[in-house]
Amino acid sequence: GDSVTQTEGPVTLSEGTSLTVNCSYETKQYPTLFWYVQYPGEGPQLLFKVPKANEKGSNRGFEATYNKEATSFHLQKASVQESDSAVYYCALSNSAGNKLTFGIGTRVLVRP
Amino acid sequence: GPKVLQIPSHQIIDMGQMVTLNCDPVSNHLYFYWYKQILGQQMEFLVNFYNGKVMEKSKLFKDQFSVERPDGSYFTLKIQPTALEDSAVYFCASSSHRGANTGQLYFGEGSKLTVL
Repeated sequence: GDSVTQTEGPVTLSEGTSLTVNCSYETKQYPTLFWYVQYPGEGPQLLFKVPKANEKGSNRGFEATYNKEATSFHLQKASVQESDSAVYYCALSNSAGNKLTFGIGTRVLVRP
Repeated sequence: GPKVLQIPSHQIIDMGQMVTLNCDPVSNHLYFYWYKQILGQQMEFLVNFYNGKVMEKSKLFKDQFSVERPDGSYFTLKIQPTALEDSAVYFCASSSHRGANTGQLYFGEGSKLTVL
């Protein structure tokens, strides 16, 4: 079946530094890839998606490139803020579009 | 933005009892999902539901589990009887169409179930 592997957290960093959360996936199909974010006390919410290989998605300063050859979709942000503290989930959908498969989630803690 | 409400936020029950988790999806959404997350582990797909039917379910969706949405009210997950391994946070989600491909699933805040 489909699987998603991502950086094991927690990741702790200071405001203004750069963030990378690695994500790799396995699927026999042609997936759409997503990053979701979950803030404390809330449910996960979509950060952005990328449906096509070799394209980039971005939102709120975060970005990720769908690398089909490497089966990777790493999340990056050049300069994090304290408000970026959250859990980040990499996810993929199958071609049938019936469900999302999530990674374990990476807790990111940004210190002021 | 659109909100999915889950009731209760936390429930503690004894093993063997029945529990119903309720989800009030975004209005006009047609697709509904349940995910299970055990502490420290990833969110895992349980089931999705459309037009009164289960479309797909995972191995985690045991025979003791059932879902329904009677008359457009709450989308419910019922577990009867419960087991210790059912302790987890259950997330409900909804989407306006085949949302998994668009990525636009809206999640609730989760219902934490503790089975003693």
